[in-house]
Amino acid sequence: EVQLVESGGGLVQPGGSLRLSCAVSGFTFSDHYMDWVRQAPGKGLEWVGRIRNSVNGYTTEYAASVKGRFTVSRDDSKNSLYVQMNSLKIEDTAVYYCARRVDLRGDNEAFDVWGQGTMVTVSS
Amino acid sequence: IQLTQSPSSLSASVGDRVTITCRASLGITSHLAWYQQKPGKAPKLLIHTASALESGVPPRFSGSGSGTDFTLTISDVQPEDFATYYCQQVKSYPLTFGGGTKVEIK
Repeated sequence: EVQLVESGGGLVQPGGSLRLSCAVSGFTFSDHYMDWVRQAPGKGLEWVGRIRNSVNGYTTEYAASVKGRFTVSRDDSKNSLYVQMNSLKIEDTAVYYCARRVDLRGDNEAFDVWGQGTMVTVSS
Repeated sequence: IQLTQSPSSLSASVGDRVTITCRASLGITSHLAWYQQKPGKAPKLLIHTASALESGVPPRFSGSGSGTDFTLTISDVQPEDFATYYCQQVKSYPLTFGGGTKVEIK
């Protein structure tokens, strides 16, 4: 069974740091780009960042709102995805989802598998 | 690229036909996906490449459009379809989602 399981969420003070993990099973993790998406309470979905696979040099992309503060990484030997979140702000409060990117025809793509999410609360 | 969904919410009865639109601020050819999200759950992929039905998704869901204007249609809405729907563009970074459309029971 294909599964993504996030962990590491919790309460952190503004300016603090947190590292989220996403444990993957049921598919060849190393083949896929992986993404983080977040959802503030009662709000819509916001893409956070991406890490490509080894073939594409593990390069990353970020939303402007987190660039310079968040770092997405992966460990293919552990089938795990991470996001290191530094200098956290109140507006980073959200459920954070990891998602698998599927490569489709015509240079297209989508997020076909999602984790259940982990809640991050930034508050003093 | 900004995505504008309309309406932001709608009420429908079981058996109705529901149409949700998503307009992109720039042309994105067919680089659009649609997701369904129920309260407290992760989003679920419904449609990719603007009109391709994801495996296992009922055929009452359909997508159309290209360029800047896209549509998600649910024909014969069922009780389990009451949820929030999001479009997503995957043409360029940053990847973006529409604001969502909440489909409620009338």
